[in-house]
Formats: sequence, C-alpha cells, structure tokens
Amino acid sequence: GENVEQHPSTLSVQEGDSAVIKCTYSDSASNYFPWYKQELGKRPQLIIDIRSNVGEKKDQRIAVTLNKTAKHFSLHITETQPEDSAVYFCAASRRSGNTGKLIFGQGTTLQVKP
Amino acid sequence: GAGVSQSPSNKVTEKGKDVELRCDPISGHTALYWYRQSLGQGLEFLIYFQGNSAPDKSGLPSDRFSAERTGGSVSTLTIQRTQQEDSAVYLCASSLDVAPLHFGNGTRLTVT
Repeated sequence: GENVEQHPSTLSVQEGDSAVIKCTYSDSASNYFPWYKQELGKRPQLIIDIRSNVGEKKDQRIAVTLNKTAKHFSLHITETQPEDSAVYFCAASRRSGNTGKLIFGQGTTLQVKP
Repeated sequence: GAGVSQSPSNKVTEKGKDVELRCDPISGHTALYWYRQSLGQGLEFLIYFQGNSAPDKSGLPSDRFSAERTGGSVSTLTIQRTQQEDSAVYLCASSLDVAPLHFGNGTRLTVT
C-alpha cells in the first residue's frame, strides 16, 4: 500500500539556522504533497503544499522541493525562530477523481533553541 | 465560518465497552477523513469519505472499527469492544477536495 517515510524524527537547531526535513513516498501516482505543522496540544495546520507539476515552492521562510523521479520531497525552513518549534508532518496523495486519501509521514519534532 | 467540530473532546471508557466519536465537518466540504494519533506518534489514516462514493476503509485496524457518514455531512466513528491499545487522539478532517485538510481538535480516547 501507500507509504510515506519521513526523516529525521527529531531535529534540534539554533535560532537563525536552517532546518531541512525529508520525505519519500511509495505511490508513483501521488501528485499532491502538503506539509502540516502541529504545535503541542493543537490540531495540525497546513503550512505549505506543492503539486507534482512544480519542482519548488516558496513562502517567506518556508520552501518545499519535489523530485518526482526519486519520489522524495523536502521542507526547508530558513532563519528559524523559537515559534517554529513544533511537529511537522509531510503527506502525499493522488489528487484526482475520488482518490484523495492523504497518507502522512511519522512526523519530525523540530526544536529551535534560542 | 465554523471549523470542524468533534465531540466529545475527551472520552474515558472501560475495556470492552463500545464508543462513538462524532465529527461535524465544515459545511459544504465533500471529503471527510478520520485519523488516529497515538501519543507522540504520527497521523495514522483510518477511513476516507468522498461525496457519495464508497468510503476507503483501508486504514481501519480491525473489524471492531467502523464509520459512517450520514447525509454527506456528520460522521460517526464507532469502536466496539474497546481495547487499551485503542487509546489515542482521534482526529477528523474535512476538505472541499483533497486539500487543504481542516482538522478538528480531536477526541482523546482513554480505555482503562
């Protein structure tokens, strides 16, 4: 079945440094790749997403890259701040017709040290 | 408008009892998902409803788990004969298509 692997499981960086989280997916038909941020005790919230017709997308300090050939995608956070500390989840899905099941990775706990 | 609403927010039940968890999606959202999140773990897919299509039940861990969605809106996740390993936060999400998913605050289930 579909599977999404996410690494690392934990990541600790100094404030101002960059953080990179990587995911691989198994379903070659996947064409939609969102990233969610979950702060402690709160619901996951979408922070950025990318579709398979795009190789890179950026939104302020956050960027996502996609390599369809290798079936992996990455989240890049630059100039990290303490409020970036949270659990980050990648996900993959086919986005067509009635097939829209979103499969999540296991999550990365990011700690930004002030 | 209102977000995804889940009830109850917390549920403590004895092993062997049945429980029902409710999800009210955002009005008009055609897709509805249930996920399970164990302490410190990821988001485990359980079931997915899309419009009037047959639900994708491939994530349900056992036949003790079932879900229905009435009238294309409210959904109920039922766990029969609960076990301690069922203890987790059960998250519901809805969307107009696949994305973006809007999550509820979850139901924290504790089986004693």
